[in-house]
Amino acid sequence: DAKTTQPTSMDCAEGRAANLPCNHSTISGNEYVYWYRQIHSQGPQYIIHGLKNNETNEMASLIITEDRKSSTLILPHATLRDTAVYYCIVRTANAGGTSYGKLTFGQGTILTVHP
Amino acid sequence: GAGVSQSPSNKVTEKGKDVELRCDPISGHTALYWYRQSLGQGLEFLIYFQGNSAPDKSGLPSDRFSAERTGGSVSTLTIQRTQQEDSAVYLCASAIPPGLGNTIYFGEGSWLTVV
Repeated sequence: DAKTTQPTSMDCAEGRAANLPCNHSTISGNEYVYWYRQIHSQGPQYIIHGLKNNETNEMASLIITEDRKSSTLILPHATLRDTAVYYCIVRTANAGGTSYGKLTFGQGTILTVHP
Repeated sequence: GAGVSQSPSNKVTEKGKDVELRCDPISGHTALYWYRQSLGQGLEFLIYFQGNSAPDKSGLPSDRFSAERTGGSVSTLTIQRTQQEDSAVYLCASAIPPGLGNTIYFGEGSWLTVV
């Protein structure tokens, strides 16, 4: 699976949009971009994923550039409870192979939402 | 249940003892993953099951670690002769088989402390 690069940490004011960038310049055509977050002492929580089109759900929006080499996770109105480590992961959509669709976690971005 | 269930949620054991950690995946999920996260560290892949077979055991750190899955459902991770460096949270996740950008869901983890 392709590697991703994320900033180590970011700050955001409560109520404002949090925009978390991710670079995945070696992504291949059959790889999806996934976002998870981990709030202290809890298991990772799925947020959103996409292939090439922008995606939106009740939690966030995912904007993927046309060349698919980078993406941005947007939390439209950040709250204090959104403080967490956010992981951007590239994952193959194919069954079998050598990755078996597993998620390979990097260090993520520590997002701190402040009042 | 609705989500991935893990037990025990917390386990303190003496060095040298064996421990068993259990995972109940989401009903119908044939893919099951085990991860480990040591304090302040990232998530480390351990093993992947598809049904009852484990095609990818590449992340198991030593032969003291083993896992099995029965009936295509419950999985048990066993650590023999525990060492202090085994202290970590052990996370289980499940999914429908890889493909078409499916989602992997995590449990809340089993916190293991070896004293």
